[in-house]
Amino acid sequence: GAVVSQHPSRVICKSGTSVKIECRSLDFQATTMFWYRQFPKKSLMLMATSNEGSKATYEQGVEKDKFLINHASLTLSTLTVTSAHPEDSSFYICSVKSGGLNYGYTFGSGTRLTVV
Amino acid sequence: GQQLNQSPQSMFIQEGEDVSMNCTSSSIFNTWLWYKQDPGEGPVLLIALYKAGELTSNGRLTAQFGITRKDSFLNISASIPSDVGIYFCAGHHNNAGNMLTFGGGTRLMVKP
Repeated sequence: GAVVSQHPSRVICKSGTSVKIECRSLDFQATTMFWYRQFPKKSLMLMATSNEGSKATYEQGVEKDKFLINHASLTLSTLTVTSAHPEDSSFYICSVKSGGLNYGYTFGSGTRLTVV
Repeated sequence: GQQLNQSPQSMFIQEGEDVSMNCTSSSIFNTWLWYKQDPGEGPVLLIALYKAGELTSNGRLTAQFGITRKDSFLNISASIPSDVGIYFCAGHHNNAGNMLTFGGGTRLMVKP
């Protein structure tokens, strides 16, 4: 499967500021990446599908102006949480879908966002 | 989005015991995946299943793709303390684009 690097692993920011999270596919050209949000002791919730060179596709209930996604290259997708509030505090995880018949979805190591 | 029904939600077992968890769905899937997530980390793929009836092992782990394509189980034999974590099943349907549907997770705790 692909090797996925997510940065930063932890970030603390003040309310009202914006935070950018990076997801890099190190050994695979990913036309599609996924962004998930995970609340404590809960499963992964898909937020959006990031498409290289085009607009992201957001899941129902996810504010696209709040969670800006940019997938400018085949190896990098970014998620920017704009005007962060404490309720945006969560664990954010990106994922890359590798190609081929025996594909799998490789996840980044996640970013713990705390908004104070 | 839709979730798979994963059970049990949590298990507290003694080291050396075998563990079994399963996922069921009202709809069929073309692929079943099992992941393990350690605290503060992203999920790591354990086993991928691609055909109905397929039984696949990875060390002490064994998983099966149900014949009906609506369920899958994961067994862990002779559990050890490092098996502690949250296990997630995930299903993929070819008509769902690239989207995975996740189970609610099984939290496994192992007592040495």
